Amino acid sequence: LAKTTQPISMDSYEGQEVNITCSHNNIATNDYITWYQQFPSQGPRFIIQGYKTKVTNEVASLFIPADRKSSTLSLPRVSLSDTAVYYCLLRGYSTLTFGKGTMLLVSP
Amino acid sequence: NAGVTQTPKFRVLKTGQSMTLLCAQDMNHEYMYWYRQDPGMGLRLIHYSVGEGTTAKGEVPDGYNVSRLKKQNFLLGLESAAPSQTSVYFCASRPHRDYTDTQYFGPGTRLTVL
Repeated sequence: LAKTTQPISMDSYEGQEVNITCSHNNIATNDYITWYQQFPSQGPRFIIQGYKTKVTNEVASLFIPADRKSSTLSLPRVSLSDTAVYYCLLRGYSTLTFGKGTMLLVSP
Repeated sequence: NAGVTQTPKFRVLKTGQSMTLLCAQDMNHEYMYWYRQDPGMGLRLIHYSVGEGTTAKGEVPDGYNVSRLKKQNFLLGLESAAPSQTSVYFCASRPHRDYTDTQYFGPGTRLTVL
């Protein structure tokens, strides 16, 4: 399975836009790029998924360049409640492979 | 809908004891998964099932067995618990749709093996 690489941690302040970049150099043709969010003592929660270009929903945007070797999760105007671990995953047909994720800490 | 529920929420075992973790989902999902998460780590897939009566091994299957006798339930068994199996266990489910995936996770079971 192709692996993903993302920063271990990031810091931000309330109201700022946060961009978390994920590298996936060996992405396969049928892989979708998926992001999950996990709060302490909870299971992960799906945020957004995309294949190419840009995807936007009510929570975040996902930017994927043409070569698909990286992707960027963009969280607009973060709040304290966005403090969590964010996982970038490549979704094969049946399973997901979670890395260690990025710990985002939002401060007042 | 309750979504994905896990029983129990907490459990302490002694080395060598056995137990079964129950995962139940009421969303009529075909796929179900068991993960474990250790401190500072992401989730690792133990076993999964793509439908009633079928199971498959994930990344870390050793020491665990699973059964999917009913579509809504996915059981994870530890026959002889070891301290290395101390972890938080998450169950998830998702519907079967080509190239779309939202896995819905349960609240987790915190297991300590002494």
